[in-house]
Amino acid sequence: DTAVSQTPKYLVTQMGNDKSIKCEQNLGHDTMYWYKQDSKKFLKIMFSYNNKELIINETVPNRFSPKSPDKAHLNLHINSLELGDSAVYFCASSPPGAGGNSPLHFGNGTRLTVT
Amino acid sequence: AQKVTQAQTEISVVEKEDVTLDCVYETRDTTYYLFWYKQPPSGELVFLIRRNSFDEQNEISGRYSWNFQKSTSSFNFTITASQVVDSAVYFCALSELLNNAGNMLTFGGGTRLMVKP
Repeated sequence: DTAVSQTPKYLVTQMGNDKSIKCEQNLGHDTMYWYKQDSKKFLKIMFSYNNKELIINETVPNRFSPKSPDKAHLNLHINSLELGDSAVYFCASSPPGAGGNSPLHFGNGTRLTVT
Repeated sequence: AQKVTQAQTEISVVEKEDVTLDCVYETRDTTYYLFWYKQPPSGELVFLIRRNSFDEQNEISGRYSWNFQKSTSSFNFTITASQVVDSAVYFCALSELLNNAGNMLTFGGGTRLMVKP
């Protein structure tokens, strides 16, 4: 029944490693997003995809590469992890909105800790 | 550029007190949408309400109510008779349409509400 699911829930890794976070939604939505929540709880958009096409890339370092194999999936791959990448990463989805009124449905988040 | 400000970083109340969470926004759009989300200690983000810019009617849902005032660019959230389960971080957000392909939410910094028994 889970609408937006992310795996893994927790990810602990060392600096310099490469890791991926997977996201899947079963809501039939066209648009998916990645948001980053830092240690002060501030939420900021990273990427948005619509029907597998990149819509937004908010000045995210190119060590971060999203991949959308189909409109139900948006994975996040991170190369050469740095300490500052430690955060909670949220995947979300929304249907096509008539003027931006669609609420985003969020996954439960992936807590990434880089040591 | 859009901006959302939640000036109250942390609020502490005793159960059954009423509490209002403030949200002020900035946008150049004439049509926009505002949202409130709740993040309980378990960490998920829960959608609470959305309001469009041309509907200034206040809304009430159980113990929750929202006061949207376009003249002051504010969208405040009141919890009546607060309960311990209301303890969470609450986020106000402003929507920007992405060429009819979903919408980008700009979030405020959040207000941590602690309700003590």
